[in-house]
Amino acid sequence: EAGVVQSPRYKIIEKKQPVAFWCNPISGHNTLYWYRQNLGQGPELLIRYENEEAVDDSQLPKDRFSAERLKGVDSTLKIQPAELGDSAVYLCASSSDSPLHFGNGTRLTVT
Amino acid sequence: TQLLEQSPQFLSIQEGENLTVYCNSSSVFSSLQWYRQEPGEGPVLLVTVVTGGEVKKLKRLTFQFGDARKDSSLHITAAQTGDTGLYLCAGAGGATNKLIFGTGTLLAVQP
Repeated sequence: EAGVVQSPRYKIIEKKQPVAFWCNPISGHNTLYWYRQNLGQGPELLIRYENEEAVDDSQLPKDRFSAERLKGVDSTLKIQPAELGDSAVYLCASSSDSPLHFGNGTRLTVT
Repeated sequence: TQLLEQSPQFLSIQEGENLTVYCNSSSVFSSLQWYRQEPGEGPVLLVTVVTGGEVKKLKRLTFQFGDARKDSSLHITAAQTGDTGLYLCAGAGGATNKLIFGTGTLLAVQP
């Protein structure tokens, strides 16, 4: 089966600029997650979707982050405006139950 | 808030040596997973343990879930350079069975 696909792989932007990440989960996986991971640390959950509904967005900084999962398949995560502290790897994962299947992430550098 | 502390944070060993990574929490988890993450890729599931005291073996890797389901360990026998990576434990628990990742152990196996 095709894995979780994320794009872009890398993104370098200046602070205060907007940025968007895209995720295509494994076909048939109803649950989709966005995580943020700093270098050498564990991923931290930003938001979890069950189909098109965001069921856990308690860790999403809603003043600058937004996400959507239209039609319950692909998802986008947006940051506007980006700050220096947003530099990290943004991982998307999907599952139909357990375990999670991760994409290769988008490495964001904010300068 | 459930926290999973991993130790050591970093480990550099020679090929052929043995090592143990620990994952500790004050919270009880319904299940615990171990992932390995290589540079530029997403975490990949190694094993899931669900029963207190459970021991699972995956070739040279031995995973143990603590009797109280609050901690876990990963033991690698005769490490190989291919074992190099970031090892992450992740516990599921609480009303929503939310998955919380540990702080990570970065392992480097030198030839």
